[in-house]
Amino acid sequence: AQSVTQLGSHVSVSEGALVLLRCNYSSSVPPYLFWYVQYPNQGLQLLLKYTSAATLVKGINGFEAEFKKSETSFHLTKPSAHMSDAAEYFCAVSGNRDTGRRALTFGSGTRLQVQP
Amino acid sequence: KAGVTQTPRYLIKTRGQQVTLSCSPISGHRSVSWYQQTPGQGLQFLFEYFSETQRNKGNFPGRFSGRQFSNSRSEMNVSTLELGDSALYLCASSPIGTVSGNTIYFGEGSWLTVV
Repeated sequence: AQSVTQLGSHVSVSEGALVLLRCNYSSSVPPYLFWYVQYPNQGLQLLLKYTSAATLVKGINGFEAEFKKSETSFHLTKPSAHMSDAAEYFCAVSGNRDTGRRALTFGSGTRLQVQP
Repeated sequence: KAGVTQTPRYLIKTRGQQVTLSCSPISGHRSVSWYQQTPGQGLQFLFEYFSETQRNKGNFPGRFSGRQFSNSRSEMNVSTLELGDSALYLCASSPIGTVSGNTIYFGEGSWLTVV
């Protein structure tokens, strides 16, 4: 079964500092990986996704993530945090053509707080 | 292009009642999936529909059901509501689903409170 672990339910950074949100996955085959952001009282918005094309994936709002198969990780980073980045971030995994698994399995989420 | 639209946004129901939530996918999208979000269990997959057929189902009791219409609009129903059904119910749509890594687009959700 596929699973996702997000280390740190809460992360606090200063404005302008590096943002690093950790995600590790468990899968018997290389999966598809996603990062979503959720602002208060809103749905989920896709930040970026990995579908085996390139290991370094660039997303919206200056975020990027690197797929590391040897570490089974897909950590999300942003060089300089902005106040508007304060939100909850979810890492998710879905299957590929081999597994046929269609649904997304989400991590428990990381709430990012940005201090002025 | 209009996004995924969910109605109602907020509703309060009494334990034992039933509820129907509606979802209109992005135009041209044929796959609709539903997720439940709670503070305790996080985001959990309920089911996915494609071309009016349920393709995948999560680990939820039979009180949770859904359907998809020929115009791809979807509804989910929860019967005999329990307090633990209080949650944000998110609908998502995609052109053909997530099996090929296609992006799924989420609506803003329906907040259900069971009292």
